[in-house]
Amino acid sequence: GQNIDQPTEMTATEGAIVQINCTYQTSGFNGLFWYQQHAGEAPTFLSYNVLDGLEEKGRFSSFLSRSKGYSYLLLKELQMKDSASYLCAVRDNDYKLSFGAGTTVTVRA
Amino acid sequence: ETGVTQTPRHLVMGMTNKKSLKCEQHLGHNAMYWYKQSAKKPLELMFVYNFKEQTENNSVPSRFSPECPNSSHLFLHLHTLQPEDSALYLCASSQEEGAGANVLTFGAGSRLTVL
Repeated sequence: GQNIDQPTEMTATEGAIVQINCTYQTSGFNGLFWYQQHAGEAPTFLSYNVLDGLEEKGRFSSFLSRSKGYSYLLLKELQMKDSASYLCAVRDNDYKLSFGAGTTVTVRA
Repeated sequence: ETGVTQTPRHLVMGMTNKKSLKCEQHLGHNAMYWYKQSAKKPLELMFVYNFKEQTENNSVPSRFSPECPNSSHLFLHLHTLQPEDSALYLCASSQEEGAGANVLTFGAGSRLTVL
């Protein structure tokens, strides 16, 4: 089966930087996604990486290393509204998407 | 609103009841999905419909029965459920299943409690 690992919880201070790591072992690789899910709300798409390197979108960046089976989501200049669960998902050779259990980020004032 | 609407948002049912969850999207997408989300666990894919044809049934018990009458609507019919089926059921849609970025647009979910 597919294996996607990410930390369960992280806490950081408003204005700080937090890095959420995701490691994966899957049957091949066809892209990695990050989603954000606020409590009681729909998961929403944040980023997509298919090639090695860093993708930047405003305060959020996502990095991928296919050889290491590793990605991270970097959240800069944290705001209270960034408190949410962050889901890492990997698509395999059959284009099936597998999700990690999610990382709950709590931003404190 | 994310473009994918799920009803009801909350449902409490007994083990002998029959109920249905409804999902609707008007994004022009051709693929629709049901996922189960339990606390502290990864999202579990249940069913996939691509151009109204079911392409995935991820070993889901027969007490869950999907229906996709058209590319905009998806139902999950529930019958004789077990307490362990209590979870958040998420519907999602995408342009189509498979290649490309294929970003999923999720609904807010239906929170199901089985007594």
